[in-house]
Amino acid sequence: KQEVTQIPAALSVPEGENLVLNCSFTDSAIYNLQWFRQDPGKGLTSLLLIQSSQREQTSGRLNASLDKSSGRSTLYIAASQPGDSATYLCAPSNQAGTALIFGKGTTLSVSS
Amino acid sequence: DVKVTQSSRYLVKRTGEKVFLECVQDMDHENMFWYRQDPGLGLRLIYFSYDVKMKEKGDIPEGYSVSREKKERFSLILESASTNQTSMYLCASSSGLAGYNEQFFGPGTRLTVL
Repeated sequence: KQEVTQIPAALSVPEGENLVLNCSFTDSAIYNLQWFRQDPGKGLTSLLLIQSSQREQTSGRLNASLDKSSGRSTLYIAASQPGDSATYLCAPSNQAGTALIFGKGTTLSVSS
Repeated sequence: DVKVTQSSRYLVKRTGEKVFLECVQDMDHENMFWYRQDPGLGLRLIYFSYDVKMKEKGDIPEGYSVSREKKERFSLILESASTNQTSMYLCASSSGLAGYNEQFFGPGTRLTVL
């Protein structure tokens, strides 16, 4: 059964820092992997989707990489801002169109 | 933009009541999902549906049922609400086309059962 771990569980940084959030998964036979952002009490906002055949995806200041063979994905946030403060969730899926398996997230706090 | 809406942001019900949570998506997606989110446990799948009138159990289906009579609407039903069903409920949808399976989530329903 797929298990997803996100490290660290919480992270506090000053504004402007570049940072890396880590995600590891136990079953490397994934179909794709999504990164989400969740603000307190709100739903999930999709940030990036990486297909299993891709190595990375970029959107603005965000870059997500995928290493299937080692069961790892990282989310890189450049020049962090206070508005980036949220919980970030990593979620692979094992087949097309099936449910995601979620990690417990990394809660990021960016201070001004 | 894809939009997934949920019928209520906050809901308070009594133990034993029958509760309906509604989810509607506007992107003609084949797949729809219900998850619940609890502190320390993360998001867990309750049920999902890959077509009208089709449903599959997820990891924690006990105490829940679902209905999908129309493609855009997926309902979660708590047959007899219990206090351990107090949680945040999140609905999601995705296309059935290979390579286009990004999941989009609704705003969530915070359900409290007293």
